[in-house]
Amino acid sequence: AQRVTQPEKLLSVFKGAPVELKCNYSYSGSPELFWYVQYSRQRLQLLLRHISRESIKGFTADLNKGETSFHLKKPFAQEEDSAMYYCALRGQAGTALIFGKGTTLSVSS
Amino acid sequence: EAGVTQSPTHLIKTRGQQATLRCSPISGHTSVYWYQQALGLGLQFLLWYDEGEERNRGNFPPRFSGRQFPNYSSELNVNALELEDSALYLCASTDLRVDTQYFGPGTRLTVL
Repeated sequence: AQRVTQPEKLLSVFKGAPVELKCNYSYSGSPELFWYVQYSRQRLQLLLRHISRESIKGFTADLNKGETSFHLKKPFAQEEDSAMYYCALRGQAGTALIFGKGTTLSVSS
Repeated sequence: EAGVTQSPTHLIKTRGQQATLRCSPISGHTSVYWYQQALGLGLQFLLWYDEGEERNRGNFPPRFSGRQFPNYSSELNVNALELEDSALYLCASTDLRVDTQYFGPGTRLTVL
């Protein structure tokens, strides 16, 4: 079965601390993995995708096929990073996204 | 460039009624996806339309249906509303060349 698991509903860290938002997936094949973010009162937006292998707003994510994980990391959290983060996977191009249930990141000073 | 738009912002219905939600994709995008974001369940895929045809549907009953118009805008219809249909309904559009889904602000449906 295709599934995305985000084990933490809430992650609270202090400003400047490292952040790791966990994402594990189940998929028979080679999926494409994404991280989406939803800031307060804003729409859901793409943060990054594994095929791009880029860093956005200081966040990176590496696809680990052996562990079927795609954890999102940032070395130094900022208050403006506070948001809901969703991990998602997609099989074939153009097909629908399968989302995890999301993790709320709260960064306090 | 205007983003994905959805209407109405909020919709209140009673059990058994029908709801119609609308989505306008980004100009040039031919694919529209509908997702349901219910409390505690996360985002779940409902329907996918591309070039006017339904390409796939998620694990939802047939009373969830929709269509895509020649201008690529889309409608989601929910018949015989049940209390558990209360949720935020999100629409996303993409151009398969760009291959990134852009989301609208959602329609909040409340069933009383």
